[in-house]
Formats: sequence, structure tokens, C-alpha cells
Amino acid sequence: AQSVAQPEDQVNVAEGNPLTVKCTYSVSGNPYLFWYVQYPNRGLQFLLKYITGDNLVKGSYGFEAEFNKSQTSFHLKKPSALVSDSALYFCAVRKGGGSQGNLIFGKGTKLSVKP
Amino acid sequence: DSGVTQTPKHLITATGQRVTLRCSPRSGDLSVYWYQQSLDQGLQFLIHYYNGEERAKGNILERFSAQQFPDLHSELNLSSLELGDSALYFCASSVQRGASTGELFFGEGSRLTVL
Repeated sequence: AQSVAQPEDQVNVAEGNPLTVKCTYSVSGNPYLFWYVQYPNRGLQFLLKYITGDNLVKGSYGFEAEFNKSQTSFHLKKPSALVSDSALYFCAVRKGGGSQGNLIFGKGTKLSVKP
Repeated sequence: DSGVTQTPKHLITATGQRVTLRCSPRSGDLSVYWYQQSLDQGLQFLIHYYNGEERAKGNILERFSAQQFPDLHSELNLSSLELGDSALYFCASSVQRGASTGELFFGEGSRLTVL
């Protein structure tokens, strides 16, 4: 069965500092991995995805994520955090290889960026 | 704007009642997914429809049902409502054809409050 773990309920970062939001996954076969962001009272917005190829993927708003197969991780990163990055971040996984199963989401990590 | 439209945005009703939530997917998307988001359970997959047919079921209660119509819009019916059904219900759509890698596009959600 597919699963996603986001070990931190909340991450606090000072503006201008680098940020990391952690995600580990479990899936049989090759994973398709995603990050989404949710601002208060809004729907989820797609940030980036890893399907295949380069382990470092770049997405919207300056975010990037690194796929590490040996550690089954897909951590979200940004070199310099902004106050406006404060939101709820979700990691999600789907089994790859052509099957179109649903996305399984982690519980979310609240990112708080202070001035 | 993701292109996915959900109505109503807010709904307040009483225990024992029945409500219908509506979703219009992005133009051209054949797949519709329903998710429930609550504080204690996180984002839970409910059900997936593809071109009018049910494809997968997640943690959907027997009191809940859904359908996807020929014009591809979908409805989620919630009956015999309980206090614990209060949550944010999201609809998402995806292309899901050919080489699609399956990222989902979410609506803004329908916030259901059961009193």
C-alpha cells in the first residue's frame, strides 16, 4: 500500500533563511511524487512533481524538491523563505508506471515564516 | 484559478439531513476525485470517477455516494449527516489520458458544517 509521512507538524523559519519540509514515502515500484500548498480557506495548489529523470526538480514560487530513492524521501526546499510562503504543505505519492491511481497525501506540514 | 468549480462554498445544515455538493472539472478533464479534509483526519481520499464510471473508492462512508454525469460534472451526496461529517470537501480533476502524470487540480472546496 502507498503511504506518505510528513514527520513535522510545523516548521518555523525566519524570513530569508533556507527552509526544508520533509517527506518520506512508501510505494511499490516507481513513485510519482508531488508537493501541494494550501493557503487558508483555499484549495490545494500544485507546486512541483517528480516523475523520472533529474533528482532535483524545480517548481513554482522558487521551491524545489530532491528525490532520494535510497532514503525514500522527497523533501521540499527553498533557499530563502518569504513571509508569504507561510501555508500548509502537503506531500503526495502515486504509484507510477502508467496506472492512474489516486494520490495519497501526507498529513501536511504547517510552515510559518516570521519576519 | 485551477479551473475546477465547486458549489456551494459554504453549507450549514442539521444532523440527519442530506446535502449535495457539486463539482465541475477543468475543461477536458475526464477524471474527478473527491477528498475530505478535517482537522483530525487530514486529507482523505473518498472516491474517483473517470468518464462517468467509478474507478476507486477510499474511505467513503456508506451514507455518502457520488456520481459523474455525461457532461463530466460530479456530485457528492451526503446523507444522514452527523456532527463528525463537518469538514472541507474538495473536488479535484485531472487529464488522465495518454502520458499524463496525473497531478490533480483542486477546487476551492465546500465547507460543510453540521449542527
